This record gives sequence, structure tokens and C-alpha cells, in this order.
Amino acid sequence: GQQVMQIPQYQHVQEGEDFTTYCNSSTTLSNIQWYKQRPGGHPVFLIQLVKSGEVKKQKRLTFQFGEAKKNSSLHITATQTTDVGTYFCAGTTNNAGNNRKLIWGLGTSLAVNP
Amino acid sequence: KAGVTQTPRYLIKTRGQQVTLSCSPISGHRSVSWYQQTPGQGLQFLFEYFSETQRNKGNFPGRFSGRQFSNSRSEMNVSTLELGDSALYLCASSLVGQSTGELFFGEGSRLTVL
Repeated sequence: GQQVMQIPQYQHVQEGEDFTTYCNSSTTLSNIQWYKQRPGGHPVFLIQLVKSGEVKKQKRLTFQFGEAKKNSSLHITATQTTDVGTYFCAGTTNNAGNNRKLIWGLGTSLAVNP
Repeated sequence: KAGVTQTPRYLIKTRGQQVTLSCSPISGHRSVSWYQQTPGQGLQFLFEYFSETQRNKGNFPGRFSGRQFSNSRSEMNVSTLELGDSALYLCASSLVGQSTGELFFGEGSRLTVL
């Protein structure tokens, strides 16, 4: 079936280091969304990418959508302790109408040492 | 505006019992999706309702059911509870559907089955 693989599963960094998480889909996606879930919290929407090759920035966060619309990445520059949490990607399949599905990656848990 | 409200926040049940969880979406949102979250398993999609109709369903047994009312509030029910049903159940609302835009999650209902 259609899958979205997210790597790495865990990442432990020193504060100030960069961090990247990757999502790879087995099929072409219509769009991809990114969410952040703080420990004990609920997922919070970060961004949606729709266009092939799209790059969007939010302060220290850079999101990319691959040219083939099968991969995406989230890069955090100079991590801070406030970046701690699990980052999920969720891709929408390219099927028509109600056959479109939102497929979630398993998430990357980020720990930041102060 | 008020966010997504889920009740109850915490509950403890015993095997064989049933449980009903409630979700009130953001005003004006017609889509409500339900997810089960357990450690290491990410977000497992249960079902999505739109305008009182089930639009999509995940791969869960028939013990898991849901419905949506005319005011967009949704309930999910789990019958004949098993130990493995212990999880955080998250509800997410969106304007037109989970595949097309931002999902707003509630705080979740944490179910413990003893």
C-alpha cells in the first residue's frame, strides 16, 4: 500500500546544531503537511507544501518538497530547546475525490541538549 | 475562536467495557477526523466524517465506530475494550477535509484499559 517513510526515528542534538528530518513516499503526493507535537501535547500544524520543488521558510525552519513530489524535508538551523518534540509529515495521495488519503509518517523525535 | 474540544480528557476502563469519546470541532469546520496514537506507532487514522457522512475509514476492527451530528460534533465508540486499545485518541477538525488543508487537533482523550 501507499506509505510515507520518515527518517530518522530519533535524533539527539546539542543546542545550536542543525537538524533535518526526511519523508519519502512510495507514490507521488498531491501535497505534504508538517506537524509538530510537543511532549504531552497534540500535533500542531506547521506548514503545507503543494508545488513541485517548493521551498518555504519559517524563521529557523526550512521546508522542501521534492521535484517529483515524493519527498520532503524539514531542516532546523541552530536548534533550541524549544524545538524539542516529534515532527510528523503527512502526505495526501494523488487519487481523485474521496479516494484521496492522508498518509502519516511515524515521526521524528527530536531531543535537544542545552 | 474556540479550538477543538475533546471530552473526556482521561478515562480508565476495564476489558470488555465500551467507551464513547466526544469531539467538538472549530465552529464552521465540517470535517472531523479521529486518530489513535500509541508510542512508536505514530498517528493511526480511524475515520473521517464530513457533513454527517463517513468519508474515509482506516484499518481498524468493527469495534471502532463513529458518527457525526448535524452541528458537526462527532463521537467515536469503542466496544468490547481490549488492553491494546489503551492510547491517546485525537480528534482533528478541518474546514473541508483532512486531505486538503490544515488539521486542528484537540488535546486528546487518554484511554487506559485495565
